[in-house]
Amino acid sequence: DTGVSQDPRHKITKRGQNVTFRCDPISEHNRLYWYRQTLGQGPEFLTYFQNEAQLEKSRLLSDRFSAERPKGSFSTLEIQRTEQGDSAMYLCASTGQGPGVEQFFGPGTRLTVL
Amino acid sequence: DQQVKQNSPSLSVQEGRISILNCDYTNSMFDYFLWYKKYPAEGPTFLISISSIKDKNEDGRFTVFLNKSAKHLSLHIVPSQPGDSAVYFCAALSGNTGKLIFGQGTTLQVKP
Repeated sequence: DTGVSQDPRHKITKRGQNVTFRCDPISEHNRLYWYRQTLGQGPEFLTYFQNEAQLEKSRLLSDRFSAERPKGSFSTLEIQRTEQGDSAMYLCASTGQGPGVEQFFGPGTRLTVL
Repeated sequence: DQQVKQNSPSLSVQEGRISILNCDYTNSMFDYFLWYKKYPAEGPTFLISISSIKDKNEDGRFTVFLNKSAKHLSLHIVPSQPGDSAVYFCAALSGNTGKLIFGQGTTLQVKP
């Protein structure tokens, strides 16, 4: 069990550029979540996948954001035409169908938009 | 609309003493509550959870208490250790998708 991994760990980009982040959940975890955390705040829910189906999206997820989980394993989060307000830590979490309710988080991708 | 609130941004305690972190919520429909610990440059790490039908859950040095009538929960750490210094988040499990709604976090400093 290698845990949840995210790539890249850090991304610096210029306003208007597109960025894509990847999340590899714990193997056989069928539920995957994306969250965003800004300074001084707790993580905020962005979107949820069960297997390959995206079942919920937050109002925070504007049209510039898109997420996929094509084969029900890894997931990608793309932000188009980045804005300075997109600067944040993007966290991925996964969980399985076991008795526990906890989600296991990756280390996050820190995005800085200049 | 902040459904989960941690009103104390920071807490400082002496090593060996008790740390009490507090959390309030507004939605009586939450099924579970969880506590996470977060070190800088790492993702949140799960500590302990409690079902809404319980009023206490204990795991080693960590105990969570739930007061449903007050919509309040607290995390007790006894005895506190310097390695416990971190940001602690309270979270509530919401809806069928199991998404977590987090509080703003409390930074705990345990002094040797």
